[in-house]
Amino acid sequence: SQQGEEDPQALSIQEGENATMNCSYKTSINNLQWYRQNSGRGLVHLILIRSNEREKHSGRLRVTLDTSKKSSSLLITASRAADTASYFCATDPHNTDKLIFGTGTRLQVFP
Amino acid sequence: GAVVSQHPSWVICKSGTSVKIECRSLDFQATTMFWYRQFPKQSLMLMATSNEGSKATYEQGVEKDKFLINHASLTLSTLTVTSAHPEDSSFYICSVFAGEVWNEQFFGPGTRLTVL
Repeated sequence: SQQGEEDPQALSIQEGENATMNCSYKTSINNLQWYRQNSGRGLVHLILIRSNEREKHSGRLRVTLDTSKKSSSLLITASRAADTASYFCATDPHNTDKLIFGTGTRLQVFP
Repeated sequence: GAVVSQHPSWVICKSGTSVKIECRSLDFQATTMFWYRQFPKQSLMLMATSNEGSKATYEQGVEKDKFLINHASLTLSTLTVTSAHPEDSSFYICSVFAGEVWNEQFFGPGTRLTVL
């Protein structure tokens, strides 16, 4: 399977703490993206990082990409209860328009 | 970005019936759409690539005769689950590929299928 893996599978933290999720993938990529999904709902696009970028910020989100290790991390700073959701990384392998999703991390932020 | 809708948002059907799910790109002409399936507490798995005016391309292990895809226009793709069985119960999500413009996919809200 081409599917990427994420860890941890589940993460529980208190409001105000930072949350870090890691993603590993298997093939060479054009971009890596992070998505958020509330339970039973559709996907929300969070951030895209290109293969030639190493770090990107968007508000409380910080994404890193290490193509030599085929890995990425998503850091959510100063978490809020509303950040409770599942987070998925997704990669688009070279020469395809497909997205391959990681296994996801379920984040629970307690007030 | 592109706005994508799905209909219905949820459906319950009896085993053996066929169910059609629509995916519409409301403001973008999409030559390529994707269909994903998501089982509870699992990730999205790509089922097929829907190409306007031609046959869909299915991922390995996905039965093309079971999951019929029609992409007859630039704004509509349909997924028909034929002779549905309880194991087909899942969350089906479509996406529109807008790579030429925005270099990303835009996702529909999903359709929850429950087969009794």
